Amino acid sequence: DGGITQSPKYLFRKEGQNVTLSCEQNLNHDAMYWYRQDPGQGLRLIYYSQIVNDFQKGDIAEGYSVSREKKESFPLTVTSAQKNPTAFYLCASRLSRAIYNQPQHFGDGTRLSIL
Amino acid sequence: ILNVEQSPQSLHVQEGDSTNFTCSFPSSNFYALHWYRWETAKSPEALFVMTLNGDEKKKGRISATLNTKEGYSYLYIKGSQPEDSATYLCAVEGAQKLVFGQGTRLTINP
Repeated sequence: DGGITQSPKYLFRKEGQNVTLSCEQNLNHDAMYWYRQDPGQGLRLIYYSQIVNDFQKGDIAEGYSVSREKKESFPLTVTSAQKNPTAFYLCASRLSRAIYNQPQHFGDGTRLSIL
Repeated sequence: ILNVEQSPQSLHVQEGDSTNFTCSFPSSNFYALHWYRWETAKSPEALFVMTLNGDEKKKGRISATLNTKEGYSYLYIKGSQPEDSATYLCAVEGAQKLVFGQGTRLTINP
C-alpha cells in the first residue's frame, strides 16, 4: 500500500544533541512537508520541499534543517539550536505544488521529548 | 500573515445529534480550503478540498460548504456516531503551502 512512513514513533533527545526524524513516501509525490504540533495549537510548517534538491523555510524553521536528495525521502534534523524541541512532528506529501485541489497525505508522526 | 480560525475549540455531542463547526479565513487571495479528520493515534485523513465559492461537498454523513466572499466554511455532521470522535482540521492554501487552524475536537457521547 502506498503511504508515508515516519520513524521512529518516539524519540528522546539529550541536551546539545542533534536528532534526525525520518520521513519516506512511496506515493511518487513531488512535494513534501514537515509540521510541528504543540498542545492547543494548529499544525505549524517547519520546512517544505517542492522538488528534489530544493526546499524552503516554513514559518518556524529556526533550529531545524532538512535535505531532499531523493524524491521519496525528506528527513528533518532537530539541532541543538532548537531550544524547545519537545513536540509532535508530522510529515506530509502532496502530488504537486501547483495542484491546489489535491489534499496532503500524512504520516503517523514522531513524538520528540527531551531527556 | 494568513490566519485561519476554527470554532469552537472543542465540542461534546450526544450520539445521534447533528452538529456543525466553523473555519474562518481572509477572503482575499483565496486558492483552496481543506478539511481533515484526525483520530487519536492515527494520521490526519483528508475529507474535502474546496476551491470555488458556493462549493458543497458530501461524504456519507459529513458535508461542507464554502463561502469565499465572506471567508468561512462550515463542516456538518448528521446523526453523530462514536466513530466521528476526532479533531477536525481546516487549512487554507497560501503561497504553495497550507496554513492550519487550531482544530475542533469533537467528542460523541454515547
